[in-house]
Amino acid sequence: AQTVTQSQPEMSVQEAETVTLSCTYDTSESDYYLFWYKQPPSRQMILVIRQEAYKQQNATENRFSVNFQKAAKSFSLKISDSQLGDAAMYFCAYRSDLSMDSNYQLIWGAGTKLIIKP
Amino acid sequence: KAGVTQTPRYLIKTRGQQVTLSCSPISGHRSVSWYQQTPGQGLQFLFEYFSETQRNKGNFPGRFSGRQFSNSRSEMNVSTLELGDSALYLCASSLVGQGYGYTFGSGTRLTVV
Repeated sequence: AQTVTQSQPEMSVQEAETVTLSCTYDTSESDYYLFWYKQPPSRQMILVIRQEAYKQQNATENRFSVNFQKAAKSFSLKISDSQLGDAAMYFCAYRSDLSMDSNYQLIWGAGTKLIIKP
Repeated sequence: KAGVTQTPRYLIKTRGQQVTLSCSPISGHRSVSWYQQTPGQGLQFLFEYFSETQRNKGNFPGRFSGRQFSNSRSEMNVSTLELGDSALYLCASSLVGQGYGYTFGSGTRLTVV
């Protein structure tokens, strides 16, 4: 069974600085997808960035980028130029390749609370 | 474009009662998934529906059930509520195909007293 681990329950960063959130996962599969979701106090889970395992190039979305290390099973999220609106819980999630009927689910890490200091 | 709509936003029920939660996916999204979020257990997968068929179910007792209608709207039902069922229930919809992420609703906060 796949597992996702986020070892940092809470992180804080000064506004405009850069912060990196860690995520490791365990799987025996070769094809899968990884996601970072943000959950602000409004409760809605918002997709930040996604990565296909078969792609070696790290995904980037504006100020958000990932460092995907497939061999190390590591998927960290880097937030550049942190803004007050980035404060939220951040969850790392794993999904198997959709070729198998049993794989239509996300497996989640425990989350990291990100605090932005003004 | 309307997002994923979950109703109601808040719900308070008594132990032993049953409850039905509703989820309307983004137009064109035919896959709907449900997740339970609690402080102790985190996010756990309940079930996923596509074209009115349950394709996958998480490790929850039979008191938890769901269905999907022809318009892709989905409902989940919890019977004989227990205190431990108090949680945020999140619904997500997705286009079918590899690589797509899920779009989530704002959830239903269920409190069992």
